[in-house]
Amino acid sequence: EVQLVESGGGLVQPGRSLRLSCTASGFTFGDYAMSWVRQAPGKGLEWVGFIRSKAYGGTTEYAASVKGRFTISRDDSKSIAYLQMNSLKTEDTAVYYCTRADLTFFICDYWGQGTLVTVSS
Amino acid sequence: DIQLTQSPSFLSASVGDRVTITCRASQGISSYLAWYQQKPGKAPKLLIYAASTLQSGVPSRFSGSGSGTEFTLTISSLQPEDFATYYCQQLRTFGQGTKVEIK
Repeated sequence: EVQLVESGGGLVQPGRSLRLSCTASGFTFGDYAMSWVRQAPGKGLEWVGFIRSKAYGGTTEYAASVKGRFTISRDDSKSIAYLQMNSLKTEDTAVYYCTRADLTFFICDYWGQGTLVTVSS
Repeated sequence: DIQLTQSPSFLSASVGDRVTITCRASQGISSYLAWYQQKPGKAPKLLIYAASTLQSGVPSRFSGSGSGTEFTLTISSLQPEDFATYYCQQLRTFGQGTKVEIK
C-alpha cells in the first residue's frame, strides 16, 4: 500500500525558514517524481513544485509564487522528499500535501494527509 | 501558463441526480487532464486521469470525457458520499474547484 506521511509543519514567523519532510513507503521511491501541493485555509489547491526521479535528472520545477524561496530535494536511500521553505510570508500559510507524481499523465496519483504551516508573527 | 476554469463553482443536487462539471483549459492540453475529489479535512483523491481513465477502485458512476480544451466530469447517479469538492488538474495547474452540496 502506497503511503506518504508529511511532517515538519507548525507555526513560524514571517521571514523564517521551515523544512517539511515526506516519508514514503509501499513503492519504489526512486522510480517516481514527487510533488508538493498546498491549500490555504478555505481555498483551492495550488501546485508548489516537483522533483523528477534521478533517471530523469532529478530536476525540479516550481510555481512562480515560490520560485527562489522554496527548494525541493529527495533522499532516495531514505525514501524521503523534502520541501525547504525560506523567507516565508503570511500568504504561505496552508496545508502542504506531498504527492507522488506521474509525469507520464501529469497527475498526482497518491497524496499524504497534509501538514499545516502557519506563518504569523 | 495554462489556466483551468471550472464551471459551475457550486452546485446543489439531490441523491440520484446526474451531475456534470466542466473544466476548460486556456490552451490545448491533449488528454492530460485529471479529476480529484476532496472531502472536508481530507487530502484530495484521484478519480480520473488522462481525461477518461478511471483510477483503480473508483466507482463506475464517475466518468470523464473531453480533449483539447474542454473536459467534463460526470457522476451518473449522485450518492451521499459524493458530496464534496471536485478539482480538475493538469500537473502544474488546478481548476478553482466545484463544490457539490445536497439540495
